[in-house]
Amino acid sequence: DAKTTQPTSMDCAEGRAANLPCNHSTISGNEYVYWYRQIHSQGPQYIIHGLKNNETNEMASLIITEDRKSSTLILPHATLRDTAVYYCIVVQNEKLTFGTGTRLTIIP
Amino acid sequence: DAGVIQSPRHEVTEMGQEVTLRCKPISGHNSLFWYRQTMMRGLELLIYFNNNVPIDDSGMPEDRFSAKMPNASFSTLKIQPSEPRDSAVYFCASSLRDPRANTGELFFGEGSRLTVL
Repeated sequence: DAKTTQPTSMDCAEGRAANLPCNHSTISGNEYVYWYRQIHSQGPQYIIHGLKNNETNEMASLIITEDRKSSTLILPHATLRDTAVYYCIVVQNEKLTFGTGTRLTIIP
Repeated sequence: DAGVIQSPRHEVTEMGQEVTLRCKPISGHNSLFWYRQTMMRGLELLIYFNNNVPIDDSGMPEDRFSAKMPNASFSTLKIQPSEPRDSAVYFCASSLRDPRANTGELFFGEGSRLTVL
């Protein structure tokens, strides 16, 4: 599976949009981009995934560049409960390999 | 839906003892995963099953670790003998594999925190 690169940490003001970037320059054509998050001491939680098109659900939006080499997870109105580690994962089969992720802290 | 159920939630044991962690996946899911999380190594995939068959066990640290899935509703991860370096949070996850995409959303349990003294 392709490797991903994410910033180690980010801060975002409560109520603002949180934009989390992810680079996956070696992604191949049939690999999906998945995002999970892990709130302290809990199991990881699925957020969203995509292949080529941008995706939106009740939790977030996923913007994938046209060349698919990078993507951005957008939390439109961040709340304190969104403080977590966010993982960007490139997946071809169902085997998910988690990296170190981005620690997002929402500031009151 | 009760979600993925893991037991025990916490286990404290002494070095050399056998440890058995249990997992009940979400009903109807056909894939099951065991992960281990430590501060030093993050989340590591140990093994995963599809339709009760082990597909990839390359993440299992050594022969002291074994995992079984005797039926679609139950899996165990056993450590025998346990060592202090096995101390970690062990997560079980299940998914319904989408054959079109060859992927599936993973649902994680709350984890079993193991401490080996």
